[in-house]
Amino acid sequence: QVTLKESGPVLVKPTETLTLTCTVSGFSLSNPRMAVSWVRQPPGKALEWLARISSDDEKSYRTSLKSRLAISKDTSNSQVVLTMTNMDPVDTATYYCVRMVVHLIDRWGQGTLVAVSS
Amino acid sequence: DIVLTQSPDSLAVSLGERATINCKSSQSVLYSSNNKNFLAWYQQKPGQPPTLLLYWASTRESGVPDRFSGSGSGTDFTLTISRLQAEDVAIYYCQQYYSTPVTFGGGTKVELK
Repeated sequence: QVTLKESGPVLVKPTETLTLTCTVSGFSLSNPRMAVSWVRQPPGKALEWLARISSDDEKSYRTSLKSRLAISKDTSNSQVVLTMTNMDPVDTATYYCVRMVVHLIDRWGQGTLVAVSS
Repeated sequence: DIVLTQSPDSLAVSLGERATINCKSSQSVLYSSNNKNFLAWYQQKPGQPPTLLLYWASTRESGVPDRFSGSGSGTDFTLTISRLQAEDVAIYYCQQYYSTPVTFGGGTKVELK
């Protein structure tokens, strides 16, 4: 059974750095057909892709946020980490970790709501 | 980036009736080498993450009821729920995976009339 579970803080202050961890099971981060991405959803709004990391460690980022994002993985521990610097209240959202088969998102984590407030 | 525009933003449908959702892409998502449309549909119920309904524009994910169907090619796509059930109340999103960044439509909220 494929699962993805997000963990991280529920509240961060403006200008702080957010670090989120996705722990996966049921598939390997070294599978050449698999990648992991992060997608976010502000309250009541649509979905927004943020970053992707492939099995061979190729990384891609949302252009508008590229300077603030970093994605990495620890294959042996089945974890993918996303960091986002200089957090702002507009970054308040539910952050989802998702599995991609090539580029198709076929599994979603439950998501973690992150609020940005002083 | 490819922009996906969904219509309508919301619709109210009676139980057992048909619901139709449209998704228009700013450029073609049809890959000529395999004649496949890189377009997916997701369902998101309140308080839950999205789940995959359809991929390649019309292929149902395992376990998805056959009242859900997808059609279209190139830039224009449709999701149809043939006989709406109460459990189908949700927001539906189209998504293209033809190019990076993958992008989503703005969502269509389906409610009961």
